[in-house]
Amino acid sequence: KAGVTQTPRYLIKTRGQQVTLSCSPISGHRSVSWYQQTPGQGLQFLFEYFSETQRNKGNFPGRFSGRQFSNSRSEMNVSTLELGDSALYLCASSFLPAYEQYFGPGTRLTVT
Amino acid sequence: KNEVEQSPQNLTAQEGEFITINCSYSVGISALHWLQQHPGGGIVSLFMLSSGKKKHGRLIATINIQEKHSSLHITASHPRDSAVYICAVSGVAGGGADGLTFGKGTHLIIQP
Repeated sequence: KAGVTQTPRYLIKTRGQQVTLSCSPISGHRSVSWYQQTPGQGLQFLFEYFSETQRNKGNFPGRFSGRQFSNSRSEMNVSTLELGDSALYLCASSFLPAYEQYFGPGTRLTVT
Repeated sequence: KNEVEQSPQNLTAQEGEFITINCSYSVGISALHWLQQHPGGGIVSLFMLSSGKKKHGRLIATINIQEKHSSLHITASHPRDSAVYICAVSGVAGGGADGLTFGKGTHLIIQP
């Protein structure tokens, strides 16, 4: 069974731009969560989607948004990028919410 | 908001030693997760537990709900166990309504 895939793996953007990251969950998994990892703050929860609905959202500004499609694939978008948005963005999928999560390899975003 | 504390932050040991990493949290949870992260960023879920003890190979995880404490043990440690080990908790019973809250991780180095 293929694991969680994230695209792109690496991305360099300029301040003020926007970016869209993609996550394809394990086949059959319907819940997708997104996390941000930085050296200073560690891992932080961004949001969780299940059946195309956002169930939970972490403490991030409105510039961070996401969505989930009917095939469970998910995207997250960050608008008006700031230098502090440079981070590793991880996606994780689970069969259902509150089940064990399986992480993707992450997208490393650098904002210059 | 749950506070998750891990100790030690850094641990260097010799191959073959018995390793213990501790995690404590401040409020009730629905589940506790132990994760492993290797250089390069990939995260692997080792255990998800809500009570008692789980074992997988040389890894053992225990949780004491009353004391709000969990431990991860590695028996017969090996250099390939070198990684960052992260404790994370899901919110109160009902499915982790607030997403995962993470500890800062324990950086483990096993020397041959």
